[in-house]
Amino acid sequence: GQNIDQPTEMTATEGAIVQINCTYQTSGFNGLFWYQQHAGEAPTFLSYNVLDGLEEKGRFSSFLSRSKGYSYLLLKELQMKDSASYLCAVSNTGKLIFGQGTTLQVKP
Amino acid sequence: SAVISQKPSRDICQRGTSLTIQCQVDSQVTMMFWYRQQPGQSLTLIATANQGSEATYESGFVIDKFPISRPNLTFSTLTVSNMSPEDSSIYLCSVWSTASSGNTIYFGEGSWLTVV
Repeated sequence: GQNIDQPTEMTATEGAIVQINCTYQTSGFNGLFWYQQHAGEAPTFLSYNVLDGLEEKGRFSSFLSRSKGYSYLLLKELQMKDSASYLCAVSNTGKLIFGQGTTLQVKP
Repeated sequence: SAVISQKPSRDICQRGTSLTIQCQVDSQVTMMFWYRQQPGQSLTLIATANQGSEATYESGFVIDKFPISRPNLTFSTLTVSNMSPEDSSIYLCSVWSTASSGNTIYFGEGSWLTVV
């Protein structure tokens, strides 16, 4: 079966670092995506990992371990505007299977 | 990156009617997909829009309810037929984009439908 798990909610403090984990079990794998979605808006692309290791892009980094079926999104120097839902999704020939999303609340 | 335009962005629809959502991409793309996001939920794939042939539907979605067209490599439509309040959702078009900087999957801005 297809299963993607991520925590439902997380809370962090402005300026801190937060790590959002994602574990997956899928029948196919072309890569793992992270998206950010603010309330009332469509998802926006954050990162794409197809090989094992860490991809860094500014304040955001994403890690993948294919053997462990595990990824995480790391957000540094948190800002209030980072309060949003973060969606982990596994790609299978372009089709995305999404986790339920992690709602991150950043507090002052 | 691919720029994706969806129309309508929002609509309030009467129960029993049908609505067609359009998705226009600014470049030719091989793969286009339609997703649904019900209130408070994550995204679920409805179907893959195939150029020149019938769409490929995921489990739980059927052509009679969600007919899809894809006449060329830059355009697709999704129709939500015989709507009920349970169809109130965000409908999102997405494309698989290949570029020298890497592959990614982009989403349109979504079509927010409320069925009354």
